[in-house]
Amino acid sequence: DTAVSQTPKYLVTQMGNDKSIKCEQNLGHDTMYWYKQDSKKFLKIMFSYNNKELIINETVPNRFSPKSPDKAHLNLHINSLELGDSAVYFCASSPPLQPAANYGYTFGSGTRLTVV
Amino acid sequence: TQLLEQSPQFLSIQEGENLTVYCNSSSVFSSLQWYRQEPGEGPVLLVTVVTGGEVKKLKRLTFQFGDARKDSSLHITAAQPGDTGLYLCAGENSNYQLIWGAGTKLIIKP
Repeated sequence: DTAVSQTPKYLVTQMGNDKSIKCEQNLGHDTMYWYKQDSKKFLKIMFSYNNKELIINETVPNRFSPKSPDKAHLNLHINSLELGDSAVYFCASSPPLQPAANYGYTFGSGTRLTVV
Repeated sequence: TQLLEQSPQFLSIQEGENLTVYCNSSSVFSSLQWYRQEPGEGPVLLVTVVTGGEVKKLKRLTFQFGDARKDSSLHITAAQPGDTGLYLCAGENSNYQLIWGAGTKLIIKP
């Protein structure tokens, strides 16, 4: 199946720990994203990579570091986790930057991160 | 700062009723997309509207882009429980980036 896959689906961890979320897409898309969805369901973009190059880096703590080993993968590493990091994190992909009329974003099913 | 406001934030109606949800902005967008998100899943694209005044239909769902390309509406006819979900609109800016609304949570009761 062509899709955006992210793991794990659920992640419960203690404050101060370091954790990673992995994302892979087999759609042949050049652009990948990380979004954070808070408890009010607002989707906020965190990072965007185009063919392994960082193109969007919104104001997020530098404890969050994306890594793109190739254009099919975009992983998110989080250091020193805090309670406020609890949220659902979504990976998404799209074809190369072009008018959105030509495509839609394809999202993974999300990683629910709970920091205790 | 470009913002998209969605209303209502929450809507709960009986099966068979009609409803309309709105997505409004003071900014002009190149295009606007509607997504539906079900619990435990990521958003899934429903439709993209591009031209001012454009109307697109997807079965019982009718999407309209405002003439000035600043707003959009989604009308559902004879709502069914399967329509339950979070409806998100996203407008494309001049940098090809999507600006997201906060969503309308829709519940259709049998």
